[in-house]
Amino acid sequence: GAVVSQHPSWVICKSGTSVKIECRSLDFQATTMFWYRQFPKQSLMLMATSNEGSKATYEQGVEKDKFLINHASLTLSTLTVTSAHPEDSSFYICSARKGGLNEKLFFGSGTQLSVL
Amino acid sequence: KQEVTQIPAALSVPEGENLVLNCSFTDSAIYNLQWFRQDPGKGLTSLLLIQSSQREQTSGRLNASLDKSSGRSTLYIAASQPGDSATYLCAVCHNQGGKLIFGQGTELSVKP
Repeated sequence: GAVVSQHPSWVICKSGTSVKIECRSLDFQATTMFWYRQFPKQSLMLMATSNEGSKATYEQGVEKDKFLINHASLTLSTLTVTSAHPEDSSFYICSARKGGLNEKLFFGSGTQLSVL
Repeated sequence: KQEVTQIPAALSVPEGENLVLNCSFTDSAIYNLQWFRQDPGKGLTSLLLIQSSQREQTSGRLNASLDKSSGRSTLYIAASQPGDSATYLCAVCHNQGGKLIFGQGTELSVKP
């Protein structure tokens, strides 16, 4: 199966700093990647859809200036949480689609962000 | 707006039992439906994907069905094992942009 690598697995940072999370498709090219956020015991909430070479499409209520998404190549998308605050602490997961809309989505292992 | 609901929220069964997890969605205009497994603090593992034109998919002890007209899907797990303990999530592929809309998940515990 396809492999999506996400780094780091966990990060602890001080309030006010920025944190970058990387999502890489290791053995396929992903024209579209998705970023999700998950709170404890809750489901995944889609934050944004990232398309290679274009601006990300953000879901309603997600601050695009706070959650910067860059999809610079067909195998890499990054999410930067700018000026992080304790309420940004969450589990962030990326996913990538290998082909068309009827293809499976493959997920990274997630990043646990804790903002002190 | 597409909404996905999973019942039950949690389930505990003895080892060896067959079980069914339920998923319902409000908008039947979907491309496909996917079932995932998530272990605590981990990412998601895709279990089964059912195309909108299909009725069911099988993989090993897992069988997923789809009734698009009624907005329902079930995941059947045969002869459950302690290693099946995890949270199971269903997600529908929305017809706008292909994004996945997730249910809240069913937390399964299989006791030896």
